[in-house]
Amino acid sequence: DQQVKQNSPSLSVQEGRISILNCDYTNSMFDYFLWYKKYPAEGPTFLISISSIKDKNEDGRFTVFLNKSAKHLSLHIVPSQPGDSAVYFCALHAGGTSYGKLTFGQGTILTVHP
Amino acid sequence: GAGVSQSPRYKVAKRGQDVALRCDPISGHVSLFWYQQALGQGPEFLTYFQNEAQLDKSGLPSDRFFAERPEGSVSTLKIQRTQQEDSAVYLCASSLASSIYEQYFGPGTRLTVT
Repeated sequence: DQQVKQNSPSLSVQEGRISILNCDYTNSMFDYFLWYKKYPAEGPTFLISISSIKDKNEDGRFTVFLNKSAKHLSLHIVPSQPGDSAVYFCALHAGGTSYGKLTFGQGTILTVHP
Repeated sequence: GAGVSQSPRYKVAKRGQDVALRCDPISGHVSLFWYQQALGQGPEFLTYFQNEAQLDKSGLPSDRFFAERPEGSVSTLKIQRTQQEDSAVYLCASSLASSIYEQYFGPGTRLTVT
């Protein structure tokens, strides 16, 4: 029973264009939503987050959108750069008895071509 | 400043052997997490400490897995009588109590059980 799904295993984008990464979830109890980036042989690195009371958060080239009614989270990167090529994970926090625990999606491999 | 460090980075164990994986969190981070990442998947929660107290161990897959953080800083994840299905990358993360969602990950220990 996967509570968090990233349905696109990979995404290929031209440098300078927009990258859109998507994440769907089933549990309405998630209260905080994060995106992590991972390079090979390194641990995931925190990128950007949003709480359940907001629908958009922007940080430079990165914007996270939350659609609670659709239980959908997305990350927009614009403009995309070759250095953005990595695996991107969405990670969700549920609170309550699961306080602190993050539930991750399976990841999307982003490749940005020069 | 120093990030989360883990040792060893790579470990090969024969089936049935015991292994111990070490995590040094960021100084001052009271929260510490262990995750298991199988190939091609996102990290999966194993256990959570606040200081020396293990508050959640719901993700530990069997009683062969044991984690401790006796002085509230360094943590050790021990796996007894390793099995092939234990082969994975084991990630440690730490965070401040005030922003528990924003977890900083170490590079991981890749465990291969032969």
